Amino acid sequence: GAGVSQSPRYKVAKRGQDVALRCDPISGHVSLFWYQQALGQGPEFLTYFQNEAQLDKSGLPSDRFFAERPEGSVSTLKIQRTQQEDSAVYLCASSFPRSFFSYEQYFGPGTRLTVT
Amino acid sequence: AQTVTQSQPEMSVQEAETVTLSCTYDTSESDYYLFWYKQPPSRQMILVIRQEAYKQQNATENRFSVNFQKAAKSFSLKISDSQLGDAAMYFCAYNTDKLIFGTGTRLQVFP
Repeated sequence: GAGVSQSPRYKVAKRGQDVALRCDPISGHVSLFWYQQALGQGPEFLTYFQNEAQLDKSGLPSDRFFAERPEGSVSTLKIQRTQQEDSAVYLCASSFPRSFFSYEQYFGPGTRLTVT
Repeated sequence: AQTVTQSQPEMSVQEAETVTLSCTYDTSESDYYLFWYKQPPSRQMILVIRQEAYKQQNATENRFSVNFQKAAKSFSLKISDSQLGDAAMYFCAYNTDKLIFGTGTRLQVFP
């Protein structure tokens, strides 16, 4: 596709439910990132993939959060036993080069997760 | 640890006027990149402008320019000839091994 897509755009989950958020990066992009954006805040880094390898997961807030990118393209962020504090917008971004140091990250529209 | 601070939660500007958004950061690195991203209500983050720390020349993209002061660790964004479509949240971000964002500045543009 032309850009990064994410689905669903909105998700309402009852506390304790598991959710799965999908990200389709731009075709050919090697690097993929997940960010969490709480209301009124800037995005915060969660995890980073280079192809299928998860190179950095230091931002995942707890072991209830799990991300995968098994074939080096589509990625899924899974949250188990959701809590109210998980309510946020989850942004996915991708970039082309192996080194993400300098190059632009292209962002998707995000998934707004509300845990009730 | 690297941090990014945006001290202006909200700013407003008249259409066609100029506005400057402030950003400061803290790092011990010598080589890094700085970015300004725009986030309209659609939530899609859009890159506005980027600055490479080793370049002394300030970056410019059409109506958008930066004032990069490396010693002061300051990276402000100037928007000239403001347009209604510029209204959005603006985030300053720092990048070495991951993007670190500030808390954002909401820009309102009045006709």
